[in-house]
Amino acid sequence: SQTIHQWPATLVQPVGSPLSLECTVEGTSNPNLYWYRQAAGRGLQLLFYSVGIGQISSEVPQNLSASRPQDRQFILSSKKLLLSDSGFYLCAWTRAGGYGIYEQYFGPGTRLTVT
Amino acid sequence: SQQGEEDPQALSIQEGENATMNCSYKTSINNLQWYRQNSGRGLVHLILIRSNEREKHSGRLRVTLDTSKKSSSLLITASRAADTASYFCATASSYNTDKLIFGTGTRLQVFP
Repeated sequence: SQTIHQWPATLVQPVGSPLSLECTVEGTSNPNLYWYRQAAGRGLQLLFYSVGIGQISSEVPQNLSASRPQDRQFILSSKKLLLSDSGFYLCAWTRAGGYGIYEQYFGPGTRLTVT
Repeated sequence: SQQGEEDPQALSIQEGENATMNCSYKTSINNLQWYRQNSGRGLVHLILIRSNEREKHSGRLRVTLDTSKKSSSLLITASRAADTASYFCATASSYNTDKLIFGTGTRLQVFP
């Protein structure tokens, strides 16, 4: 069966520090991968998605970046965190290919607090 | 933007009652999906309904889709305290099915 991992679960970082959040998927190949951010009590904002290794689509211009160095690994990074980067970061995957989109499977999330 | 809007933003009911949440969207879709999120957790997929479908059922869940009105509803029958969560609709555009756009969510509280 497929599983998705995210780490760390929680993170407190000072303003201006770098960030690296990692997401890995097991039990599937060539998934579509997604990074979302959720502000407290709000909906999900799509940040990046990837349909293959090295292929990254950015949805929102900001000081975050994403990379996909391996088929089932998706990394969210920042060189210098801002207070506004605080939030709940969720990674998700879906089956690729075919007409239409399939359901997405979410990781447990990372709670990031920038102080 | 294609973002869905859920209505109401919050809903409080007693156990045993039915809960209805609505979702409206703006552009042509391939499909619409409903997700559930318990506090501080990841989202869990509930139901996917395609644009050529009008109604789907899964256990106590019933989803309807009206593409002419660009709206969908999620009905939870005979609610339980364990149904307390936030519920989100998400749409896949007809033009780009690689991604989902999520709505703002409905917070459901079911009192025992």
